[in-house]
Amino acid sequence: DTGVSQDPRHKITKRGQNVTFRCDPISEHNRLYWYRQTLGQGPEFLTYFQNEAQLEKSRLLSDRFSAERPKGSFSTLEIQRTEQGDSAMYLCASSLVLDREDEKLFFGSGTQLSVL
Amino acid sequence: QKEVEQNSGPLSVPEGAIASLNCTYSDRGSQSFFWYRQYSGKSPELIMFIYSNGDKEDGRFTAQLNKASQYVSLLIRDSQPSDSATYLCAGNTGGFKTIFGAGTRLFVKA
Repeated sequence: DTGVSQDPRHKITKRGQNVTFRCDPISEHNRLYWYRQTLGQGPEFLTYFQNEAQLEKSRLLSDRFSAERPKGSFSTLEIQRTEQGDSAMYLCASSLVLDREDEKLFFGSGTQLSVL
Repeated sequence: QKEVEQNSGPLSVPEGAIASLNCTYSDRGSQSFFWYRQYSGKSPELIMFIYSNGDKEDGRFTAQLNKASQYVSLLIRDSQPSDSATYLCAGNTGGFKTIFGAGTRLFVKA
């Protein structure tokens, strides 16, 4: 257990429905990432936060995806109008970044999304 | 061109051999590099990080970085069947976010 919690572990939804995932990072960590991973691929960057500020969102990411990190604590990732291509493992990771070189990520167990 | 590239493998080595995993990156602004191990059905876990040119050793693992060639490698000595996993190379890019390669699957045969 890395200390990063994700909920739910699994989500099955029908195409067109909205889904929301939650991530609770390690409490003292100031940076939080969302990645998406499909079978046989590495984690694909989606977005990341430094405290409560969203620093970057992937250019490849549809407007159907939105993420928040209110008060710099937990984060939520929402996918609106889900499509079958959204089916993947959604991974959250956190880190304590003190300088530009210090980026050791701790991952949660992920949320496996299946869109039917 | 992907920011971090790896050969997806699979790489198969006999038990006790040296496994050599390689990675290249495109962003010359990248400062630090990481190797994560991911077992099937599990999340990635950090095993090595390297910031400076040269070698860094930790137990059976050696990370190598050549910034001039934009090349990172991981050597696993005395490979064990328990080392069988996907190894993900990651770089902290000039934009200061961590980007992963596609991963290399390693099989260590007993």
